[in-house]
Amino acid sequence: SAVISQKPSRDICQRGTSLTIQCQVDSQVTMMFWYRQQPGQSLTLIATANQGSEATYESGFVIDKFPISRPNLTFSTLTVSNMSPEDSSIYLCSVVSGGNYGYTFGSGTRLTVV
Amino acid sequence: ELKVEQNPLFLSMQEGKNYTIYCNYSTTSDRLYWYRQDPGKSLESLFVLLSNGAVKQEGRLMASLDTKARLSTLHITAAVHDLSATYFCAVDSGGGADGLTFGKGTHLIIQP
Repeated sequence: SAVISQKPSRDICQRGTSLTIQCQVDSQVTMMFWYRQQPGQSLTLIATANQGSEATYESGFVIDKFPISRPNLTFSTLTVSNMSPEDSSIYLCSVVSGGNYGYTFGSGTRLTVV
Repeated sequence: ELKVEQNPLFLSMQEGKNYTIYCNYSTTSDRLYWYRQDPGKSLESLFVLLSNGAVKQEGRLMASLDTKARLSTLHITAAVHDLSATYFCAVDSGGGADGLTFGKGTHLIIQP
């Protein structure tokens, strides 16, 4: 299955600033998925990123707040814009890989907004 | 809207005991996933269940899928402390195109 390198692993940011999270996959994948995990909660899908097209956002998430880039089949970024303390969460990227349709997850970015 | 309900949400059990975590989902799907998450860590894939009647086992954990009942179970046999973690089930209803919908997770504590 694919191996995902996600950066940064953690960050502490001031409110009102933006943070860009990167995910690099060791193989070409059609779709990449971005999730948010709020403290003590489950994972919620933010958006699906296809190479060469606009990302598709889930209800409650908007492009202005979470812009996504997908410049090629192995890389994607998620930006958390104009941050507030409510954005403090773990953000994870994921891809479908391998013959068994498994979803692989990056190591996550733990974001704290102060 | 796909809903995934997991229960119990919290489970404290003694070492050596058996228990089952249940995962119900609300729409037709034949792809069901189980993950483990340790505190501060990402998700570790445990099982991928791809068809009705699928049963998979790894060590003290066994997972099954009944697509007609829209139910998956994760059974723990003779629990040990190292299995303490949060366990999530997740459903793929879009054939790999729509990502996963997760249950709320079961926080499992196994007491020595």
